[in-house]
Amino acid sequence: DAGVTQSPTHLIKTRGQQVTLRCSPKSGHDTVSWYQQALGQGPQFIFQYYEEEERQRGNFPDRFSGHQFPNYSSELNVNALLLGDSALYLCASSLASDEAFFGQGTRLTVV
Amino acid sequence: DQQVKQNSPSLSVQEGRISILNCDYTNSMFDYFLWYKKYPAEGPTFLISISSIKDKNEDGRFTVFLNKSAKHLSLHIVPSQPGDSAVYFCAASAHQGAQKLVFGQGTRLTINP
Repeated sequence: DAGVTQSPTHLIKTRGQQVTLRCSPKSGHDTVSWYQQALGQGPQFIFQYYEEEERQRGNFPDRFSGHQFPNYSSELNVNALLLGDSALYLCASSLASDEAFFGQGTRLTVV
Repeated sequence: DQQVKQNSPSLSVQEGRISILNCDYTNSMFDYFLWYKKYPAEGPTFLISISSIKDKNEDGRFTVFLNKSAKHLSLHIVPSQPGDSAVYFCAASAHQGAQKLVFGQGTRLTINP
């Protein structure tokens, strides 16, 4: 049973560019959340998707947007990249009241 | 505003001894607390959790203690093993199953042989 899978694993982008990160949830999970983990910090909640709608959002600007597809997979889009967006982006999935399972993350470097 | 704090960035413990990792929180609305373990190049892995109606939860070598009045929780690992070397994150949420987790900064635990 595949767990949460994220792609790509590493990515280098230039300031001002746009990026799309992808996440496939663990089989049977219907809720996906995205987190940003800066170096030396804990993960910070970006937003959560359920039934293809954004259900909760953390304190992130509108440059961060997302989407959930009918098969529960999800994308995170970041526009107008800043150097400070360099981080590990984690996707987590869950079902109902179960604990969240995390993917291995996408390491984004903005130069 | 850091609502969940892990004040020790690192901890070194001898193999076989007890490891104690600490976590403090400020938001009284937090009702459910979790510990995650993270190895390099991997995502966080769920370790153990506790609801605010309890003050202790045990799972094998791992025990989590919650002191609601002090807004403090701790993770005890006994006996510590070399494979326990990892970064440990404390996290809090409004209720069990809530995916909006608020994480601490993490504590790097090193178990020395």
